[in-house]
Amino acid sequence: AQKITQTQPGMFVQEKEAVTLDCTYDTSDPSYGLFWYKQPSSGEMIFLIYQGSYDQQNATEGRYSLNFQKARKSANLVISASQLGDSAMYFCATKGSGNTGKLIFGQGTTLQVKP
Amino acid sequence: ETGVTQSPTHLIKTRGQQVTLRCSSQSGHNTVSWYQQALGQGPQFIFQYYREEENGRGNFPPRFSGLQFPNYSSELNVNALELDDSALYLCASTPWGSGGELFFGEGSRLTVL
Repeated sequence: AQKITQTQPGMFVQEKEAVTLDCTYDTSDPSYGLFWYKQPSSGEMIFLIYQGSYDQQNATEGRYSLNFQKARKSANLVISASQLGDSAMYFCATKGSGNTGKLIFGQGTTLQVKP
Repeated sequence: ETGVTQSPTHLIKTRGQQVTLRCSSQSGHNTVSWYQQALGQGPQFIFQYYREEENGRGNFPPRFSGLQFPNYSSELNVNALELDDSALYLCASTPWGSGGELFFGEGSRLTVL
């Protein structure tokens, strides 16, 4: 079974500062992927970043980076230089090998960026 | 823009009715999956379709059913609606076998009264 835990229901950050959103995971799959999605109030799930379980380096995509600590089973999202448009719900998710379309999501973290 | 479109965007039904939600997948994506997202929660996997057949299902009763068509568009059908079915329903597509991200539509928000 797979499980994602996001322990921060809500977070505040000042504009232009960095913020870390926590995610821990549990899986029995030897090969898996970890994902972060952003969901604005419109509802669409926007893909941000991906980390494969065998990737040696932490993934980065522009202002987003994933702090992957396999031994601790954590996959925290770091957003640098926060912008007002970053205010949204953020979801961590995982997918095991052989599960093409099945993502397991956490409960999400609401991020509010203050001007 | 993910190339995944869903319709309708909003709808209201009454308890006991049936509803059909539609999804048009991104071009070349032969796997479609559906998710239910209750207010304030993360999305829950309903099922996925590949080659027009259900290929994996989450913990949802049989009154949740689906179809996938040769052009990769799909439908989610829910019979005998219950109040707890009120949620955002998300469709996602990806190529079969991909370990990468799913591409989501904007969802259909269903309210059951």
